Amino acid sequence: EPEVTQTPSHQVTQMGQEVILRCVPISNHLYFYWYRQILGQKVEFLVSFYNNEISEKSEIFDDQFSVERPDGSNFTLKIRSTKLEDSAMYFCASSKRSSYNSPLHFGNGTRLTVT
Amino acid sequence: AQTVTQSQPEMSVQEAETVTLSCTYDTSESNYYLFWYKQPPSRQMILVIRQEAYKQQNATENRFSVNFQKAAKSFSLKISDSQLGDTAMYFCAFMSTGTASKLTFGTGTRLQVTL
Repeated sequence: EPEVTQTPSHQVTQMGQEVILRCVPISNHLYFYWYRQILGQKVEFLVSFYNNEISEKSEIFDDQFSVERPDGSNFTLKIRSTKLEDSAMYFCASSKRSSYNSPLHFGNGTRLTVT
Repeated sequence: AQTVTQSQPEMSVQEAETVTLSCTYDTSESNYYLFWYKQPPSRQMILVIRQEAYKQQNATENRFSVNFQKAAKSFSLKISDSQLGDTAMYFCAFMSTGTASKLTFGTGTRLQVTL
């Protein structure tokens, strides 16, 4: 069964540095998402992306964050000038349609540690 | 804004027994969707079961079933004949009808299945 793949599985960075988290969604999916999970807390929505633009974003997704689909397969989350509180598990997800009947498929996540 | 509450941080059940995980939510909407996701140690979020709010019949997927009480805003998950592979974190999630598949998650319940 096709899967959403995320790289790297673990990223360590210093405060103030920029990081790019990478995701390869399922090939025939059109909607893409980023969620994050701070250790011990709930999974939180960051952003959804469709047709090469952001369709919805949360209050967390401020100017520090950006998303891009640089080619036909990758979907990236860039975090500029990382802060300690950005340490979390970041999950990418994709779906065929924006619909209840098209459930989200999640990747295994990237654990980001900011030191 | 919607909220999802899971009041049981941890649960334990013996193999072959039945366990029920609780979830309550708050919304002013009349139609929406509810989900249970499983997150095993592999970290990947896997859809277990889903329910449409306007359907009175409780959803069932093999050993997994829900008890959906719309008036009480309750959406519990019952796992029958528990197996060791059911050991995971379980998240209840809410989706509004018009939010491009954005999910609002609860804090999760860690389920341990023992011999």
